[in-house]
Amino acid sequence: DTAVSQTPKYLVTQMGNDKSIKCEQNLGHDTMYWYKQDSKKFLKIMFSYNNKELIINETVPNRFSPKSPDKAHLNLHINSLELGDSAVYFCASSSLAGGLGQYFGAGTRLSVL
Amino acid sequence: KNEVEQSPQNLTAQEGEFITINCSYSVGISALHWLQQHPGGGIVSLFMLSSGKKKHGRLIATINIQEKHSSLHITASHPRDSAVYICAVRTPPGSSNTGKLIFGQGTTLQVKP
Repeated sequence: DTAVSQTPKYLVTQMGNDKSIKCEQNLGHDTMYWYKQDSKKFLKIMFSYNNKELIINETVPNRFSPKSPDKAHLNLHINSLELGDSAVYFCASSSLAGGLGQYFGAGTRLSVL
Repeated sequence: KNEVEQSPQNLTAQEGEFITINCSYSVGISALHWLQQHPGGGIVSLFMLSSGKKKHGRLIATINIQEKHSSLHITASHPRDSAVYICAVRTPPGSSNTGKLIFGQGTTLQVKP
Protein backbone atom coordinates (compact mmCIF):
# COMPACT_ATOMS: atom_id res chain seq x y z
CA ASP A 1 0.00 0.00 0.00
CA THR A 2 2.58 2.54 -1.11
CA ALA A 3 1.38 6.06 -0.43
CA VAL A 4 3.51 7.84 -3.05
CA SER A 5 4.94 5.64 -5.77
CA GLN A 6 7.41 6.62 -8.45
CA THR A 7 8.48 4.66 -11.48
CA PRO A 8 11.04 3.78 -12.51
CA LYS A 9 13.33 3.59 -9.50
CA TYR A 10 16.42 3.66 -11.71
CA LEU A 11 16.80 5.18 -15.16
CA VAL A 12 19.97 5.01 -17.20
CA THR A 13 19.91 6.69 -20.59
CA GLN A 14 21.99 8.41 -23.21
CA MET A 15 22.39 12.14 -23.67
CA GLY A 16 19.81 13.59 -26.01
CA ASN A 17 17.10 11.07 -25.21
CA ASP A 18 13.62 11.92 -23.92
CA LYS A 19 12.40 10.18 -20.77
CA SER A 20 9.47 10.28 -18.35
CA ILE A 21 9.15 9.59 -14.66
CA LYS A 22 5.73 8.77 -13.26
CA CYS A 23 4.35 9.55 -9.84
CA GLU A 24 1.10 8.49 -8.24
CA GLN A 25 -0.29 9.06 -4.75
CA ASN A 26 -3.19 7.26 -3.14
CA LEU A 27 -3.51 9.56 -0.13
CA GLY A 28 -6.20 11.79 -1.56
CA HIS A 29 -3.82 14.76 -1.40
CA ASP A 30 -4.48 17.80 -3.54
CA THR A 31 -0.89 19.00 -3.96
CA MET A 32 2.03 17.21 -5.59
CA TYR A 33 5.66 18.19 -6.03
CA TRP A 34 8.81 17.30 -7.90
CA TYR A 35 12.17 17.78 -6.20
CA LYS A 36 15.68 17.29 -7.52
CA GLN A 37 18.50 16.05 -5.30
CA ASP A 38 21.95 16.70 -6.69
CA SER A 39 25.18 14.82 -6.11
CA LYS A 40 25.80 16.78 -2.91
CA LYS A 41 22.46 15.55 -1.60
CA PHE A 42 20.95 19.03 -1.77
CA LEU A 43 17.20 18.99 -2.40
CA LYS A 44 15.51 21.69 -4.43
CA ILE A 45 11.91 22.11 -5.52
CA MET A 46 11.19 22.05 -9.24
CA PHE A 47 7.41 22.10 -9.59
CA SER A 48 4.24 21.97 -7.57
CA TYR A 49 0.70 21.24 -8.73
CA ASN A 50 -2.49 21.81 -6.79
CA ASN A 51 -5.60 20.10 -8.13
CA LYS A 52 -3.93 19.62 -11.53
CA GLU A 53 -2.92 23.26 -11.72
CA LEU A 54 0.71 24.40 -11.78
CA ILE A 55 1.33 26.63 -8.77
CA ILE A 56 5.09 26.60 -8.38
CA ASN A 57 7.57 26.57 -11.23
CA GLU A 58 11.13 27.20 -10.16
CA THR A 59 13.87 28.15 -12.57
CA VAL A 60 13.96 24.86 -14.40
CA PRO A 61 14.95 24.41 -18.07
CA ASN A 62 12.06 24.19 -20.53
CA ARG A 63 13.22 20.66 -21.30
CA PHE A 64 11.45 19.65 -18.09
CA SER A 65 7.69 19.49 -18.44
CA PRO A 66 5.42 18.28 -15.67
CA LYS A 67 2.01 16.87 -16.51
CA SER A 68 -0.84 16.23 -14.11
CA PRO A 69 -3.65 14.24 -15.73
CA ASP A 70 -5.51 14.19 -12.42
CA LYS A 71 -4.75 15.21 -8.87
CA ALA A 72 -3.40 11.76 -7.98
CA HIS A 73 -0.73 11.81 -10.68
CA LEU A 74 2.14 14.12 -11.50
CA ASN A 75 4.49 12.92 -14.22
CA LEU A 76 7.77 14.51 -15.22
CA HIS A 77 8.89 14.47 -18.82
CA ILE A 78 12.43 15.46 -19.74
CA ASN A 79 13.46 16.23 -23.31
CA SER A 80 16.97 16.18 -24.74
CA LEU A 81 18.59 14.85 -21.60
CA GLU A 82 21.93 16.35 -20.58
CA LEU A 83 24.71 15.06 -18.33
CA GLY A 84 23.78 17.65 -15.70
CA ASP A 85 20.31 16.17 -15.39
CA SER A 86 21.80 13.18 -13.58
CA ALA A 87 20.32 13.29 -10.09
CA VAL A 88 17.73 11.69 -7.87
CA TYR A 89 14.23 13.01 -8.49
CA PHE A 90 11.68 12.83 -5.69
CA CYS A 91 7.96 13.15 -5.99
CA ALA A 92 5.94 14.19 -2.94
CA SER A 93 2.40 15.04 -2.00
CA SER A 94 0.59 16.94 0.69
CA SER A 95 -2.77 18.42 1.47
CA LEU A 96 -3.94 21.65 3.02
CA ALA A 97 -6.29 19.63 5.19
CA GLY A 98 -3.31 17.63 6.41
CA GLY A 99 -1.37 20.73 7.27
CA LEU A 100 0.92 20.33 4.28
CA GLY A 101 3.02 17.58 5.83
CA GLN A 102 4.97 16.05 2.98
CA TYR A 103 4.92 12.43 1.91
CA PHE A 104 7.79 11.45 -0.35
CA GLY A 105 8.18 8.80 -2.99
CA ALA A 106 11.23 6.54 -2.94
CA GLY A 107 13.01 8.57 -5.59
CA THR A 108 14.13 7.93 -9.16
CA ARG A 109 17.87 7.82 -9.75
CA LEU A 110 18.51 9.19 -13.23
CA SER A 111 21.91 8.63 -14.82
CA VAL A 112 22.61 10.32 -18.12
CA LEU A 113 25.60 8.87 -19.96
CA LYS B 1 24.79 31.70 1.87
CA ASN B 2 21.86 29.29 1.96
CA GLU B 3 18.57 30.50 3.35
CA VAL B 4 18.53 27.40 5.54
CA GLU B 5 21.71 26.38 7.32
CA GLN B 6 22.22 23.22 9.34
CA SER B 7 24.94 22.33 11.78
CA PRO B 8 26.87 20.21 12.11
CA GLN B 9 27.19 18.86 8.57
CA ASN B 10 28.53 15.56 9.86
CA LEU B 11 28.10 13.98 13.25
CA THR B 12 29.41 10.75 14.70
CA ALA B 13 28.07 9.53 18.01
CA GLN B 14 28.26 6.48 20.23
CA GLU B 15 25.16 4.46 20.84
CA GLY B 16 23.18 5.89 23.71
CA GLU B 17 24.38 9.48 23.33
CA PHE B 18 22.05 12.47 23.22
CA ILE B 19 22.23 14.13 19.81
CA THR B 20 21.32 17.66 18.73
CA ILE B 21 21.13 18.93 15.17
CA ASN B 22 20.57 22.62 14.61
CA CYS B 23 18.82 24.55 11.86
CA SER B 24 18.84 28.30 11.30
CA TYR B 25 16.93 30.12 8.61
CA SER B 26 16.84 33.65 7.27
CA VAL B 27 13.44 33.84 5.57
CA GLY B 28 9.89 34.20 6.80
CA ILE B 29 8.25 30.85 7.20
CA SER B 30 4.86 29.33 7.79
CA ALA B 31 6.26 26.01 9.05
CA LEU B 32 9.46 24.03 9.45
CA HIS B 33 9.96 20.37 8.56
CA TRP B 34 12.47 17.83 9.75
CA LEU B 35 13.06 14.99 7.30
CA GLN B 36 15.09 11.80 7.51
CA GLN B 37 16.82 10.22 4.54
CA HIS B 38 18.16 6.72 5.01
CA PRO B 39 21.17 5.31 3.15
CA GLY B 40 18.75 3.58 0.77
CA GLY B 41 17.58 7.03 -0.31
CA GLY B 42 13.98 7.17 0.90
CA ILE B 43 12.82 10.38 2.59
CA VAL B 44 10.52 10.33 5.58
CA SER B 45 8.89 13.33 7.18
CA LEU B 46 9.61 13.34 10.93
CA PHE B 47 8.05 16.58 12.11
CA MET B 48 6.29 19.64 10.86
CA LEU B 49 6.08 22.47 13.36
CA SER B 50 5.34 26.15 13.45
CA SER B 51 5.83 26.82 17.15
CA GLY B 52 6.97 25.22 20.38
CA LYS B 53 7.96 21.61 20.59
CA LYS B 54 6.92 18.21 19.29
CA LYS B 55 7.92 14.77 20.49
CA HIS B 56 7.71 11.40 18.79
CA GLY B 57 9.34 8.48 20.53
CA ARG B 58 13.00 9.33 21.06
CA LEU B 59 12.84 12.33 18.75
CA ILE B 60 12.12 15.87 19.89
CA ALA B 61 11.89 18.94 17.66
CA THR B 62 11.79 22.51 18.91
CA ILE B 63 11.45 25.81 17.14
CA ASN B 64 12.06 29.40 18.21
CA ILE B 65 10.34 31.65 15.70
CA GLN B 66 11.86 34.86 17.09
CA GLU B 67 15.39 33.50 16.79
CA LYS B 68 14.65 31.68 13.49
CA HIS B 69 16.12 28.51 14.86
CA SER B 70 15.08 24.91 15.28
CA SER B 71 16.71 21.89 16.87
CA LEU B 72 16.20 18.18 16.42
CA HIS B 73 17.15 16.06 19.40
CA ILE B 74 17.58 12.30 19.51
CA THR B 75 17.68 10.70 22.93
CA ALA B 76 19.34 7.33 23.58
CA SER B 77 20.68 7.20 20.03
CA HIS B 78 20.90 3.88 18.23
CA PRO B 79 22.80 2.73 15.10
CA ARG B 80 19.50 2.57 13.23
CA ASP B 81 19.23 6.34 13.66
CA SER B 82 22.13 6.67 11.23
CA ALA B 83 20.80 8.73 8.34
CA VAL B 84 20.84 12.20 6.83
CA TYR B 85 18.58 14.64 8.67
CA ILE B 86 17.26 17.50 6.61
CA CYS B 87 15.68 20.72 7.81
CA ALA B 88 13.28 22.43 5.42
CA VAL B 89 11.26 25.61 5.82
CA ARG B 90 7.97 26.33 4.12
CA THR B 91 7.63 29.87 2.81
CA PRO B 92 4.35 31.63 3.54
CA PRO B 93 1.61 30.94 1.01
CA GLY B 94 1.32 33.35 -1.89
CA SER B 95 -1.77 34.43 -3.75
CA SER B 96 -1.68 31.36 -5.93
CA ASN B 97 0.36 28.75 -4.11
CA THR B 98 0.73 27.05 -0.77
CA GLY B 99 4.34 28.14 -0.31
CA LYS B 100 7.40 26.06 -1.14
CA LEU B 101 9.97 24.11 0.79
CA ILE B 102 13.53 25.42 1.01
CA PHE B 103 15.96 22.77 2.21
CA GLY B 104 19.07 22.81 4.35
CA GLN B 105 22.09 20.90 3.16
CA GLY B 106 21.46 18.03 5.55
CA THR B 107 23.34 16.59 8.53
CA THR B 108 24.84 13.15 8.12
CA LEU B 109 24.59 11.26 11.39
CA GLN B 110 26.42 8.04 12.11
CA VAL B 111 25.73 6.27 15.39
CA LYS B 112 28.32 3.63 16.28
CA PRO B 113 27.49 0.61 18.42
